[in-house]
Amino acid sequence: EAGVTQFPSHSVIEKGQTVTLRCDPISGHDNLYWYRRVMGKEIKFLLHFVKESKQDESGMPNNRFLAERTGGTYSTLKVQPAELEDSGVYFCASSQAPIGEQYFGPGTRLTVT
Amino acid sequence: GENVEQHPSTLSVQEGDSAVIKCTYSDSASNYFPWYKQELGKRPQLIIDIRSNVGEKKDQRIAVTLNKTAKHFSLHITETQPEDSAVYFCAASGSARQLTFGSGTQLTVLP
Repeated sequence: EAGVTQFPSHSVIEKGQTVTLRCDPISGHDNLYWYRRVMGKEIKFLLHFVKESKQDESGMPNNRFLAERTGGTYSTLKVQPAELEDSGVYFCASSQAPIGEQYFGPGTRLTVT
Repeated sequence: GENVEQHPSTLSVQEGDSAVIKCTYSDSASNYFPWYKQELGKRPQLIIDIRSNVGEKKDQRIAVTLNKTAKHFSLHITETQPEDSAVYFCAASGSARQLTFGSGTQLTVLP
């Protein structure tokens, strides 16, 4: 069984540019989460999809971040326009059950210069 | 919302010794407490978890204890090995399905 995959693994962009991150969850997992770890601090929740619906987006920092999960399969997280403080590692995780193990992807390291 | 505090931030132990990492949480409605291990440059991976109806769970050299009254839970690693060196995160989850993580503990096992 393939694990959670994320693309790209690294992205370096300039302030003001746009970046789109992609996450492919484990097949059959309805729950998909985005998290972010900034500068070696804790991993912070961004949002949660159940199938194609946003269940909870209380962790999204501001309206420069837009997440989608069309068709309830893969998800994208777009940052537009990017700011310096958006730098960090963005993790995607998926789970089958609402409460239980979340399987993490390898992360996308975003650097905004 | 939920707040999880984790201590210590760094921990060095001699190979073969035990390591203990402690976490406290604020939301009494939280009922699922996983521990994740993240090796350098790799994804966080679940190593053990516990639900609120259980006080202790063990898996070989790893154990987790939960005190719901005091709202704290701990990770115990016995007979540590160099490959146990990593960052360990505790987390809590409840009615809000997302995981709220602690700040992480960098564990170094010295040979």
